[in-house]
Amino acid sequence: GENVEQHPSTLSVQEGDSAVIKCTYSDSASNYFPWYKQELGKRPQLIIDIRSNVGEKKDQRIAVTLNKTAKHFSLHITETQPEDSAVYFCAAGGLGQNFVFGPGTRLSVLP
Amino acid sequence: DTEVTQTPKHLVMGMTNKKSLKCEQHMGHRAMYWYKQKAKKPPELMFVYSYEKLSINESVPSRFSPECPNSSLLNLHLHALQPEDSALYLCASSQVQGGNSNYGYTFGSGTRLTVV
Repeated sequence: GENVEQHPSTLSVQEGDSAVIKCTYSDSASNYFPWYKQELGKRPQLIIDIRSNVGEKKDQRIAVTLNKTAKHFSLHITETQPEDSAVYFCAAGGLGQNFVFGPGTRLSVLP
Repeated sequence: DTEVTQTPKHLVMGMTNKKSLKCEQHMGHRAMYWYKQKAKKPPELMFVYSYEKLSINESVPSRFSPECPNSSLLNLHLHALQPEDSALYLCASSQVQGGNSNYGYTFGSGTRLTVV
């Protein structure tokens, strides 16, 4: 089955700096890679996703890159703000498969 | 309506109680999921319903019993739980089972369950 690893487990950055979170997956059949943000006590919310036929996707300050050959994908947040502080989960899956989540990264943006 | 609604938001129950968690969506999604999330951990899949049929039961103890009365509703019946079952229980739905762009999961706000 699919196995997703995520690094780092915790990340502290100064406000305005960039943050990068990396994930690797094991199942070459996975073709959909979402990222979820979960604030304390709240639900996971989809912030960006990418399909395997795309190498990069950007939405304002958030971008995701995918290297299908190496089976890794990364979340990039630029110009970080205190409200970006949360736990971020990557996941891998595909049509007919269920998501497997990474263990999460706790991001702290320091003012 | 683009939400998944879960009730109750909080639940405290004794180990001999029977209670139910409820989940509802009106997005026409045909796959619904129950996840369990412990503090500082990712969501852990418990059950998947696809077209109102139980698709996956991830070896969950029988004290958890899912039910899908129709395509919009999902219940989780709880009986004789243990304190270690205390967690955030999340419901999610997607247009079809699994994930793909345009078919991502929508999570409910969850029920925070405490077993005493």
